[in-house]
Amino acid sequence: KQEVTQIPAALSVPEGENLVLNCSFTDSAIYNLQWFRQDPGKGLTSLLLIQSSQREQTSGRLNASLDKSSGRSTLYIAASQPGDSATYLCAVKGDDKIIFGKGTRLHILP
Amino acid sequence: EAQVTQNPRYLITVTGKKLTVTCSQNMNHEYMSWYRQDPGLGLRQIYYSMNVEVTDKGDVPEGYKVSRKEKRNFPLILESPSPNQTSLYFCASSLYGPVGLRDTQYFGPGTRLTVL
Repeated sequence: KQEVTQIPAALSVPEGENLVLNCSFTDSAIYNLQWFRQDPGKGLTSLLLIQSSQREQTSGRLNASLDKSSGRSTLYIAASQPGDSATYLCAVKGDDKIIFGKGTRLHILP
Repeated sequence: EAQVTQNPRYLITVTGKKLTVTCSQNMNHEYMSWYRQDPGLGLRQIYYSMNVEVTDKGDVPEGYKVSRKEKRNFPLILESPSPNQTSLYFCASSLYGPVGLRDTQYFGPGTRLTVL
């Protein structure tokens, strides 16, 4: 059974720093991996989607990487801003299921 | 504007009183699903639908029903709500669902349900 883990559960970082969020999964047989952002009490917004054949995807200050063989993905955020404060979730897509991690709650300190 | 809408956004009800949460998408997506989100447990899938008239159980289907009579709508029905169904509920859609390699899931804004 696929399990998705995100560590740490919470992270506080001073504004301007670069940071990395981690996502690991137990079954490497995935179609893709998606990173989402969730603001308190709100829905999820898709940030980046990496297909299983890809190694990374970039959007602005965000870069997501995927290493299927080791069951890991990272989300790199460059030059963090207070507006980046949110919970970040990763989700992997398998044969018939989309499994979410529990998220990393990120707080950027002004 | 491409979107997934849910109604109501907030609902307080009492145990046993049937309720329906509506979900609608305007992107002609085939795949729709319902999740509940609870502190410490993350997002868990309740039901999903691969297409019209095709629905299947997710990880936590007990106490819920769904229907998919039209492509755009996927209501979540709680026939006899109980306090342990107090949660934040999200509807989501994507073009092809799990088999779509490039599929992005779109989420509704959420429905916060409290069952007293």
